[in-house]
Amino acid sequence: SQTIHQWPATLVQPVGSPLSLECTVEGTSNPNLYWYRQAAGRGLQLLFYSVGIGQISSEVPQNLSASRPQDRQFILSSKKLLLSDSGFYLCAWRASGGLRRTDTQYFGPGTRLTVL
Amino acid sequence: QQQVKQSPQSLIVQKGGISIINCAYENTAFDYFPWYQQFPGKGPALLIAIRPDVSEKKEGRFTISFNKSAKQFSLHIMDSQPGDSATYFCAAVASGGSYIPTFGRGTSLIVHP
Repeated sequence: SQTIHQWPATLVQPVGSPLSLECTVEGTSNPNLYWYRQAAGRGLQLLFYSVGIGQISSEVPQNLSASRPQDRQFILSSKKLLLSDSGFYLCAWRASGGLRRTDTQYFGPGTRLTVL
Repeated sequence: QQQVKQSPQSLIVQKGGISIINCAYENTAFDYFPWYQQFPGKGPALLIAIRPDVSEKKEGRFTISFNKSAKQFSLHIMDSQPGDSATYFCAAVASGGSYIPTFGRGTSLIVHP
């Protein structure tokens, strides 16, 4: 069965510090991978998605970046965090070769980031 | 055109009652409509999903009703339980493209015992 992991689960960082969040998926190959951010009490904002190694599409211009160094690894980074970067960061995956009628997106457990 | 409008923003229901959450969309290319359930501090989990070739899909106490002509779909939770208290997101996807779901803004459901 497939599982998705995110770490760390929680993170408190000062403004201006760097960030690295990691997401890994097990039990599948060549998944589509996604990073979302969810502000407190708000909806899901898509930040980045990737259809393959080294292929990253950005949905929202900001001081965050993403990388996919391996097939099932997705990393969210920042060189200098802003207060507005606080939120709940979710990684998700989708089976890229899935049958149309079983197509769905699965979310990880999330990382709670607080920037002080 | 890419928006999915979800209502209400919050909902309070008594135990045993029916919870109804509505979503509307504009893009006729959408052909897959999942609902997600999210508990505090957790990632969203797929609850139920529907394709526009059917008007209703039921799984246990959860039912999706789909009105293609009105471009609306809704989630009905029958016999609502306190354990159903969570945030619910509807989404719409054009599966022939790059598979980027468009999410509603969410509904916070509280079921009182």
